[in-house]
Amino acid sequence: SQTIHQWPATLVQPVGSPLSLECTVEGTSNPNLYWYRQAAGRGLQLLFYSIGIDQISSEVPQNLSASRPQDRQFILSSKKLLLSDSGFYLCAWSVPLGHGVTYFGPGTRLTVT
Amino acid sequence: QKEVEQNSGPLSVPEGAIASLNCTYSDRVSQSFFWYRQYSGKSPELIMSIYSNGDKEDGRFTAQLNKASQYVSLLIRDSQPSDSATYLCAVNGGAQKLVFGQGTRLTINP
Repeated sequence: SQTIHQWPATLVQPVGSPLSLECTVEGTSNPNLYWYRQAAGRGLQLLFYSIGIDQISSEVPQNLSASRPQDRQFILSSKKLLLSDSGFYLCAWSVPLGHGVTYFGPGTRLTVT
Repeated sequence: QKEVEQNSGPLSVPEGAIASLNCTYSDRVSQSFFWYRQYSGKSPELIMSIYSNGDKEDGRFTAQLNKASQYVSLLIRDSQPSDSATYLCAVNGGAQKLVFGQGTRLTINP
């Protein structure tokens, strides 16, 4: 069966500090990978979408970036965090060319102080 | 811009009753529709998917799709306190990227 891991689970970072969140998927090959953000009391916002290694689309312009160095590894980064970057960051995966059924990881709660 | 609209609630339903959650979407060509359940502080969990007009039942859950009206709903029969959560409607917005509604907060009262 497929499993998706994210770490860390929680993170408190000062404004201006860098960020690196990691996500790995097990039990599947060549998945579509996604980073979503959920601000407090808000819906899910798609940040990045990847169909393969080094193939990443940015959905929302901001100070975040994403990389996919391996087939089942997805990394979200920032060089300098803003207060507005606080939120619940969710990595997700789906089967390529399917209906779009998407499965979420456990998430990282980021608080920028 | 593709949009998915949900009543944010909160929706309060007595235990044992039917909870009805509704969702409308703007993109007429959407083909895949999903309902996720999200407990407070947790990640969304897929509970139903539906691709054709009509009803799809899974246990106490029934998803209903009407593409002509661009309307998706979720019915929860015999509601339990454990059903208290935020329910997210999602639509495949193309290229397998889901567009989510804001979510409806559901509370089941014992």
